[in-house]
Amino acid sequence: AQTVTQSQPEMSVQEAETVTLSCTYDTSESDYYLFWYKQPPSRQMILVIRQEAYKQQNATENRFSVNFQKAAKSFSLKISDSQLGDAAMYFCAYRIRKAGNNRKLIWGLGTSLAVNP
Amino acid sequence: KAGVTQTPRYLIKTRGQQVTLSCSPISGHRSVSWYQQTPGQGLQFLFEYFSETQRNKGNFPGRFSGRQFSNSRSEMNVSTLELGDSALYLCASSHPREGSGYTFGSGTRLTVV
Repeated sequence: AQTVTQSQPEMSVQEAETVTLSCTYDTSESDYYLFWYKQPPSRQMILVIRQEAYKQQNATENRFSVNFQKAAKSFSLKISDSQLGDAAMYFCAYRIRKAGNNRKLIWGLGTSLAVNP
Repeated sequence: KAGVTQTPRYLIKTRGQQVTLSCSPISGHRSVSWYQQTPGQGLQFLFEYFSETQRNKGNFPGRFSGRQFSNSRSEMNVSTLELGDSALYLCASSHPREGSGYTFGSGTRLTVV
């Protein structure tokens, strides 16, 4: 069964500094998607970045980038130049790519990120 | 462009009652998924609908059901509510383009007393 593990329940970072959130996953599949979502107190889950497993290049979205290590099944999120608005719960999620009954997001338990001014 | 709209935002129900939650996806999105979020279990998949058909179902009891209408709006229903059903219920819609990611609504906070 596929699982997603986020080993850091809480993290903190100083404003303008860089922080890396960890995520590991377990799957026997070779073709899948990985996502990082942010959930602020407003509760809405916001897509931060996504990675397609067949692409070796790490995804980047402005201040957010990932370090995707397929062999190690690791998918960490780096936030550069942290801002107060980055404070939120961050969830790592996995989804198989092929059609079928397993086409659902599988989630880690989240990392609560605090940004200190 | 309107986002995913979930109604109501908050709901308080009594044990044994039933409840219906609504989700309107982004225009053009035909897939709607539902997730339950609790502090203990995290986020768990309930079901996915595509073009009015249930395409996937999670490991929840039969008390949890859903449907999708021709305009892609979706409802989920929970019958015979239990205290453990208290949770944030999130709805997500996705674009037909494969792997485009999911857009979530702000959820419905259900409290069962």
